[in-house]
Amino acid sequence: NAGVTQTPKFQVLKTGQSMTLQCAQDMNHNSMYWYRQDPGMGLRLIYYSASEGTTDKGEVPNGYNVSRLNKREFSLRLESAAPSQTSVYFCASSAAFESYGYTFGSGTRLTVV
Amino acid sequence: QKEVEQNSGPLSVPEGAIASLNCTYSDRGSQSFFWYRQYSGKSPELIMFIYSNGDKEDGRFTAQLNKASQYVSLLIRDSQPSDSATYLCAPRAQGNTGKLIFGQGTTLQVKP
Repeated sequence: NAGVTQTPKFQVLKTGQSMTLQCAQDMNHNSMYWYRQDPGMGLRLIYYSASEGTTDKGEVPNGYNVSRLNKREFSLRLESAAPSQTSVYFCASSAAFESYGYTFGSGTRLTVV
Repeated sequence: QKEVEQNSGPLSVPEGAIASLNCTYSDRGSQSFFWYRQYSGKSPELIMFIYSNGDKEDGRFTAQLNKASQYVSLLIRDSQPSDSATYLCAPRAQGNTGKLIFGQGTTLQVKP
């Protein structure tokens, strides 16, 4: 059982380059989320998709875009990477039940130079 | 005021002791509360969920919830070196988005 799969695991970008982080879940979850985690800042929500066909901004959406391609897949795009976007990115998914928490992917460690 | 506050630590306890991790939250509409454990370089993993006021026990872990005081805690009994990690408190935001609001986490060190 794969759970939540994120690719790539590591990436180095030059300032101004673009890239897409991929996330897919095989648990038939309705909701998917993208977080970034920085030292001392905790997990901050970038974008989320409460259900297929919808996306909404989270706490730190600037510089990012997302696509909920289908129920399984939720991608995060950096159009013009900046050093401030150096971080660890986590994708998570959740079922639509009050008692259900998130299942996280293994993360993408991104460095922008 | 932060939405979810945790003492960042590190909290250091000897092996076999009880570790007590605390969390306060600001959203009075939150009904569900989650505790995640995160080892260094790894992703968070869910260890406890609590919905009702009072205590909930699962093995060596006990979650405690007091909605009137907007306070959640996690007790780890018989702490082991393998419990050394960062523990994240996460209330679920009110509404139907399913969003969890994470605290910064408390780093626990269990010394042999």
